Amino acid sequence: QKEVEQNSGPLSVPEGAIASLNCTYSDRGSQSFFWYRQYSGKSPELIMFIYSNGDKEDGRFTAQLNKASQYVSLLIRDSQPSDSATYLCALPTSGGSYIPTFGRGTSLIVHP
Amino acid sequence: NAGVMQNPRHLVRRRGQEARLRCSPMKGHSHVYWYRQLPEEGLKFMVYLQKENIIDESGMPKERFSAEFPKEGPSILRIQQVVRGDSAAYFCASYPGGGETQYFGPGTRLLVL
Repeated sequence: QKEVEQNSGPLSVPEGAIASLNCTYSDRGSQSFFWYRQYSGKSPELIMFIYSNGDKEDGRFTAQLNKASQYVSLLIRDSQPSDSATYLCALPTSGGSYIPTFGRGTSLIVHP
Repeated sequence: NAGVMQNPRHLVRRRGQEARLRCSPMKGHSHVYWYRQLPEEGLKFMVYLQKENIIDESGMPKERFSAEFPKEGPSILRIQQVVRGDSAAYFCASYPGGGETQYFGPGTRLLVL
C-alpha cells in the first residue's frame, strides 16, 4: 500500500516570503510526482510535476525531488495571498493500472 | 479542469434515497476516475473505469455504491440508500491514457439530510 504523507498545517507565511511544502512517500519505486492546488470549495488543479532528482522550476514554483530520502517539496517564492489554498502531493502507481495516491494536503495561508 | 463536466454540482438527498452523479470526461479521454473527499480530508480513490469496463474498484464500498461508464454517455456513480456519512464532495477525473496526469471536474457536493 503506497503511503503519501503531508503535514496538514496550516502553514502560515507572510506575503512575499517563501512557502515550503513537503511530502514524504513510502514507495521507493515511485518515479514521478505531482503537486495539485485546491482552493476551498473547488477541484484540484495540477501545478507541477517532476520526474527526476533535483529541482524543477516554473515561475514562482519550484519542485524538489530527493529519491534517496523519499521526499518531494514544493517551494513558492514571493508568496501572494492568492496562493492561499490546500496543496496536494500525489504519486501514480508504477506499472499496472494508473491510480494516483494523494496525500491529505497542506493548507497554506499567506497573510498580507 | 476545463472540459470535464460533472452534474449536478450540488445534490441534496434524504437518508434512504438514491444519488446519481454524472461525469463527462474531456474530449478524446476514455478513462474516468471517481474520488471522494470528506471535509478536511484528502482525496480517496474509489473507482477507475474505461469505456464499458471497470478497471479497478478497490476503493469503492462493496455495498450501495456502483459505477459505470457506458459506450455512449457519461460515467455514472450511483449511491443507493444514502446515509449521512455519504455527504462529501465527489470528484471525477479524466485521463487520456498514457498521459501524464488527470484532469479534475468541478465536483458534485452531496448532502444527505
